[in-house]
Amino acid sequence: NAGVTQTPKFQVLKTGQSMTLQCAQDMNHEYMSWYRQDPGMGLRLIHYSVGAGITDQGEVPNGYNVSRSTTEDFPLRLLSAAPSQTSVYFCASKPIAGVSTDTQYFGPGTRLTVL
Amino acid sequence: GENVEQHPSTLSVQEGDSAVIKCTYSDSASNYFPWYKQELGKGPQLIIDIRSNVGEKKDQRIAVTLNKTAKHFSLHITETQPEDSAVYFCAASSRNNRLAFGKGNQVVVIP
Repeated sequence: NAGVTQTPKFQVLKTGQSMTLQCAQDMNHEYMSWYRQDPGMGLRLIHYSVGAGITDQGEVPNGYNVSRSTTEDFPLRLLSAAPSQTSVYFCASKPIAGVSTDTQYFGPGTRLTVL
Repeated sequence: GENVEQHPSTLSVQEGDSAVIKCTYSDSASNYFPWYKQELGKGPQLIIDIRSNVGEKKDQRIAVTLNKTAKHFSLHITETQPEDSAVYFCAASSRNNRLAFGKGNQVVVIP
């Protein structure tokens, strides 16, 4: 199993540009989520999904869109990037049914800089 | 929602000594408390967790204790080694099964 994968690893955008951060997992996990990590702020939840076709907002959803068309993929879209979105983004997944339904598995992250 | 506070923000210890990181949480309904370790340039990795029906859990050199009355839980690392140097995050499972994270603690193990 590759676990949770994220692409790209690094990205530089100009203000106003759009892009999609990709996240995929091969563990058949129902729950997937996106976090941003800023210095001194810990990890803050952006959006999450409990299954294909179902998404919901987290703590800091403004400026981001998500969709969940398959169990495996959970892309995060920035429609019009702003400097305040400069951050490291982590995708995570976990099962909903079964024994270990609390353990979240994190991807390696995408470091985004918006100029 | 759940609010998790983590102290201290930075901790330096001599190799071989013990390190303790303490977290407090606000929501008495939280029932799951994981600890994550994040090495430079990598994603957080779960190292130990505890549920509200248990007061202490140990896994080799690391242990976690939970005090539900005081709403705090702590990570204990014994016989610290240089590879323990990392950022450690505590978290609490709030309502709707969402994790609320502390702001992280930089642990530096001095050889």
